[in-house]
Amino acid sequence: QPVVTQEPSLSVSPGGTVTLTCGVTSRSVSTSYNPSWFQQSPGQPPRTLIHSTNIRSSGVPDRFSGSILSPKAALTITGAQTDDDSHYYCLLYLGGGVWVFGGGTKLTVL
Amino acid sequence: QVQMVESGGDLVKPGGFLRLTCTVSGLAFSEAYMSWVRQAPGKGLEWIAYMTPSGRNIYYAASLQGRLSISRDNAKKSLYLHMNSLTVEDTALYYCVGGLGSWYSGSWGQGTLVTVSS
Repeated sequence: QPVVTQEPSLSVSPGGTVTLTCGVTSRSVSTSYNPSWFQQSPGQPPRTLIHSTNIRSSGVPDRFSGSILSPKAALTITGAQTDDDSHYYCLLYLGGGVWVFGGGTKLTVL
Repeated sequence: QVQMVESGGDLVKPGGFLRLTCTVSGLAFSEAYMSWVRQAPGKGLEWIAYMTPSGRNIYYAASLQGRLSISRDNAKKSLYLHMNSLTVEDTALYYCVGGLGSWYSGSWGQGTLVTVSS
């Protein structure tokens, strides 16, 4: 089964911009993979940030945006805030009724 | 406001089974696409099962195929997960996730903890 890859860790300064990526081994991610992004703070359940490549969930600030930066999906945070210090997971639909999460990115804002 | 409340998590012996329930409110459950996702302690997220609103389409993670059964009762606004032949590797927080249009666009519950240990 293909592996969904994410950067294990990234850091950004408050007010800065950072891009997290989500790839899949031996393939190029496209919109047909319905890339989605989830944020999880310590001790909390995940929450959906972005689904279907670039659709923000209700209540998600517009500093979060999703896109395809071929060959990967991307989550960009523009104007990072200290509250954004969290784990971020991407999810891809590989077809045939199979969804796979990436291993997650620990984002540090400092 | 959408709420998903999981229950049924417990300490289970290896080889045992579990039945988890997710009760949903604030959402037209009979139109919701639903999944179960689990997270082992200190680890990432793992999608394990999916069901369409009518129950016509069901999918499972290949690694768990044969040990899982997902079901729903739309009248009770509830989603269920049955899992047998449990091993210590099944120790995790089990989340119910769902929404209209797609499961991954929706809401998450707080999770219910399953611990497999002798």
